[in-house]
Amino acid sequence: RKEVEQDPGPFNVPEGATVAFNCTYSNSASQSFFWYRQDCRKEPKLLMSVYSSGNEDGRFTAQLNRASQYISLLIRDSKLSDSATYLCVVPWDSGYSTLTFGKGTMLLVSP
Amino acid sequence: NAGVTQTPKFQVLKTGQSMTLQCAQDMNHNSMYWYRQDPGMGLRLIYYSASEGTTDKGEVPNGYNVSRLNKREFSLRLESAAPSQTSVYFCASSAGTGSGYTFGSGTRLTVV
Repeated sequence: RKEVEQDPGPFNVPEGATVAFNCTYSNSASQSFFWYRQDCRKEPKLLMSVYSSGNEDGRFTAQLNRASQYISLLIRDSKLSDSATYLCVVPWDSGYSTLTFGKGTMLLVSP
Repeated sequence: NAGVTQTPKFQVLKTGQSMTLQCAQDMNHNSMYWYRQDPGMGLRLIYYSASEGTTDKGEVPNGYNVSRLNKREFSLRLESAAPSQTSVYFCASSAGTGSGYTFGSGTRLTVV
């Protein structure tokens, strides 16, 4: 199985804090990556796609380091509503027809 | 704007019973997937269908069968349920290679 490793957390941060999650992957051929968000007892939802060197969407920034085979997610100015589990996702096979999900990192933002 | 619809949302089965989980998407996606999610294990791929008319095994296919009925629908069948199949089942679809997935809201299955 292609491995995707994440720190399970939980990360406990106050509102307004900046928090970063890392994810390492073993399939060096992977080209496309994603971050998903999953709320308790809900389905995963796509948060960001990560292509080439990374991208930014508002308070969220995703970075890719191909040499070290890891991707990161940075959340600035954390909100209470950011509390969730964040799943790192990479292609499973060379044809990219399926995705492998990490076990997720739990974030808890407190007032 | 339904996206991916799964039925039922909850189900309790006795060991040895059979059932079919239904999934339908209205986004004209080519690919569909079935995952199970267990505490501490993350999401694991059971079966997938890259396009209408094809199905392939994922990481944990034993005890399951699938049918890609048409482009919209992809069902998962448990022929003889076992307690080890107690889990949350998610169906997902995607436009294809390089695309993210859209998930259904899940089916919580308990086998007693």
